Amino acid sequence: GQQLNQSPQSMFIQEGEDVSMNCTSSSIFNTWLWYKQDPGEGPVLLIALYKAGELTSNGRLTAQFGITRKDSFLNISASIPSDVGIYFCAGQLLTQGGSEKLVFGKGTKLTVNP
Amino acid sequence: GAVVSQHPSWVICKSGTSVKIECRSLDFQATTMFWYRQFPKQSLMLMATSNEGSKATYEQGVEKDKFLINHASLTLSTLTVTSAHPEDSSFYICSATEGGEGNEQFFGPGTRLTVL
Repeated sequence: GQQLNQSPQSMFIQEGEDVSMNCTSSSIFNTWLWYKQDPGEGPVLLIALYKAGELTSNGRLTAQFGITRKDSFLNISASIPSDVGIYFCAGQLLTQGGSEKLVFGKGTKLTVNP
Repeated sequence: GAVVSQHPSWVICKSGTSVKIECRSLDFQATTMFWYRQFPKQSLMLMATSNEGSKATYEQGVEKDKFLINHASLTLSTLTVTSAHPEDSSFYICSATEGGEGNEQFFGPGTRLTVL
């Protein structure tokens, strides 16, 4: 089945530092998404990427969809304490039944020291 | 943005009992709802996809007779864990979409199930 390899597994940084995490896959996805999940809550969408090579920003977050549609990175600039959480990449693909399902990476746990 | 709620937010039950979890789309009609399971420190794993008015499509390895899904209306889907066992203890998360290509999945806040 489809798998997403996400790295790093965890990061410990100082407030103000930039962060980068990435995901790779052997499968091609129609859409690539980045989510943030706080403890005990559902994931919240940060950025969605639809086109190969697309570079998209959302505030201090920047993400790019790889040319081959098999990889993506997420950058967070000038980190702040509220950036703490688990970041997941997810690939979206069309099922035979016509619905779109998500395959999630294993997550990157981010800790920001004030 | 669109809001998805789940009830209950947490539940503790005895082994062998059944537990029902509700997922509601509060301000939009959800033609498709998804159910995920997340074990501690792990990723979200899709269990099943349900379209309103039709039978759910289960992912490989997920027992449809153990995890009963009902999507009876455009705003409500339920997941019933039947004859729950301790290994079913997990964080169950639903998501909903209005359907159509490229539609965003909006996630609920999750339900923490603990089976004693």
